[in-house]
Amino acid sequence: NAGVTQTPKFQVLKTGQSMTLQCAQDMNHNSMYWYRQDPGMGLRLIYYSASEGTTDKGEVPNGYNVSRLNKREFSLRLESAAPSQTSVYFCATHRGVAGNEQFFGPGTRLTVL
Amino acid sequence: KNQVEQSPQSLIILEGKNCTLQCNYTVSPFSNLRWYKQDTGRGPVSLTIMTFSENTKSNGRYTATLDADTKQSSLHITASQLSDSASYICVVSGRGSTLGRLYFGRGTQLTVWP
Repeated sequence: NAGVTQTPKFQVLKTGQSMTLQCAQDMNHNSMYWYRQDPGMGLRLIYYSASEGTTDKGEVPNGYNVSRLNKREFSLRLESAAPSQTSVYFCATHRGVAGNEQFFGPGTRLTVL
Repeated sequence: KNQVEQSPQSLIILEGKNCTLQCNYTVSPFSNLRWYKQDTGRGPVSLTIMTFSENTKSNGRYTATLDADTKQSSLHITASQLSDSASYICVVSGRGSTLGRLYFGRGTQLTVWP
């Protein structure tokens, strides 16, 4: 089992370019999350999907869109990248029961020039 | 305001020594608290979970404590190893909250020197 996979691992964009970060899980979990992690800031929630077909904004959703394509896949899209979106992005999954552990992917390191 | 504060921000210790990391929170009502370990370049991995009724829980050389009255938790690492070098993140879940409402500390960066 691969667990939670993310692609790409690294990406460099120019300001204004668009891209989609992909996340897939084989854990049969209901809930999926996108976080960004910046130095000294800790993990901040961008969007989450409690179940297939639903998405909700987190703490820092501006400049991002998401799609819960099916139970396995949850993508994060930057329509017009900005230097402030330079960060490490983590996808996570959760079984959907309060108190259960979140399982994180390996992260995507994004630099916007 | 629901917050999670961790201290120290960074810590350097020699291999074989013990250390204690602190987490103070204001999340209310409280459901549970998890400690995650994040190795450089990787995603966080759960070490232990503490619920309201638990005071102490061990996972190998890691021992977590919780004082729900003072809203404090600690993570004690015994006989540190080089592989313990990582960021340790405290995450608090509020009771009755939606699944999206987890409160993350900023982490303590631990470096173990040989």
